[in-house]
Amino acid sequence: GAVVSQHPSWVICKSGTSVKIECRSLDFQATTMFWYRQFPKQSLMLMATSNEGSKATYEQGVEKDKFLINHASLTLSTLTVTSAHPEDSSFYICSARDLGLYGYTFGSGTRLTVV
Amino acid sequence: GQQLNQSPQSMFIQEGEDVSMNCTSSSIFNTWLWYKQDPGEGPVLLIALYKAGELTSNGRLTAQFGITRKDSFLNISASIPSDVGIYFCAGGSSNTGKLIFGQGTTLQVKP
Repeated sequence: GAVVSQHPSWVICKSGTSVKIECRSLDFQATTMFWYRQFPKQSLMLMATSNEGSKATYEQGVEKDKFLINHASLTLSTLTVTSAHPEDSSFYICSARDLGLYGYTFGSGTRLTVV
Repeated sequence: GQQLNQSPQSMFIQEGEDVSMNCTSSSIFNTWLWYKQDPGEGPVLLIALYKAGELTSNGRLTAQFGITRKDSFLNISASIPSDVGIYFCAGGSSNTGKLIFGQGTTLQVKP
């Protein structure tokens, strides 16, 4: 079946630094990938839609200059949290949509802790 | 924006009991999906529903896509301890491709 690999699984960084999270579709091509953020005991909140070869579309309230998304190929999207602050600490999850209709596969998530 | 209301928020049941949870929306969705999430992991798809009125089973799990396209339910029969986790419904839009998630139902099963 479809597999999405997300790395790293966890990362600790100092406040003010940047962190890059990778999301790869291993056995299918993903024209669209989605990035979610999940705070403890809460649901997944969509941050942005990443489209291969074009600019990402951000949800209302999400700072595009802080959360940089690059979808340079059909198998890779990256999320860079720039100038991270403790309030950015969260569980970030990517999802890839394959070329089939309604096919969504989720990565295993990245636990970001900013100290 | 679109919102999903998922209930109940949590359930604590005895092993062997049946479980039912549901989601409602003020908006129409083209697809309903049900996921289970274990701590520290991404959500895993349980059942996908693509047509209004569709009733689909996956082992002990049964889910239905409401006829109005604004709701869905998930039933788990004869619960077992490994059913413990958080269950999310998600509504999908064919126009945007986005998935909107419900608030989740935390299930605890007492052996």
